Amino acid sequence: EAGVAQSPRYKIIEKRQSVAFWCNPISGHATLYWYQQILGQGPKLLIQFQNNGVVDDSQLPKDRFSAERLKGVDSTLKIQPAKLEDSAVYLCASSHNAGGQDTQYFGPGTRLTVL
Amino acid sequence: DAKTTQPNSMESNEEEPVHLPCNHSTISGTDYIHWYRQLPSQGPEYVIHGLTSNVNNRMASLAIAEDRKSSTLILHRATLRDAAVYYCIPYYSNYQLIWGAGTKLIIKP
Repeated sequence: EAGVAQSPRYKIIEKRQSVAFWCNPISGHATLYWYQQILGQGPKLLIQFQNNGVVDDSQLPKDRFSAERLKGVDSTLKIQPAKLEDSAVYLCASSHNAGGQDTQYFGPGTRLTVL
Repeated sequence: DAKTTQPNSMESNEEEPVHLPCNHSTISGTDYIHWYRQLPSQGPEYVIHGLTSNVNNRMASLAIAEDRKSSTLILHRATLRDAAVYYCIPYYSNYQLIWGAGTKLIIKP
């Protein structure tokens, strides 16, 4: 079974530039998550999709971050414009559903450096 | 906000058992307790989860206190490959997913 795919693996940009990350979840998984992980901290959930609808985006900085999951499969996360504090690893995860027994499977992450 | 408390770090000798504690005093009766671990430069991976009774799988055991306000992840024989950050995450029924800083487990050969 193929795992969660993410691209790119690394990205370096200047502040105020835009950047986009892509995630392909495990086939058949209805729930998709985007996390931000700053060095030395645990992952912080940015947004959770159930199929192509948003379940939770309470911690997404909506003035600069946006995410979409068209057709309930792939997803993109965009930052526009980027700030220095956005430097982090962006993790995508998927699960079969959003129930308390569902296991999340994580991709390798995208390491973003904002200069 | 719901919160978990874990030690920042723990050390153990190779091939000895390790008990990783977690306090989750605000958990409700229907919230599962999940444990994940994150090896260096990798995404987190699932370890185990449970609701009320103790759980075992090939990776670990999970002991849940009777009042469900705490749990302990047990690695029966730690190896160097178990060195990672271990996260305890109550999976709240309102879909909140809050990860703490986790416990960094150091295994000494």
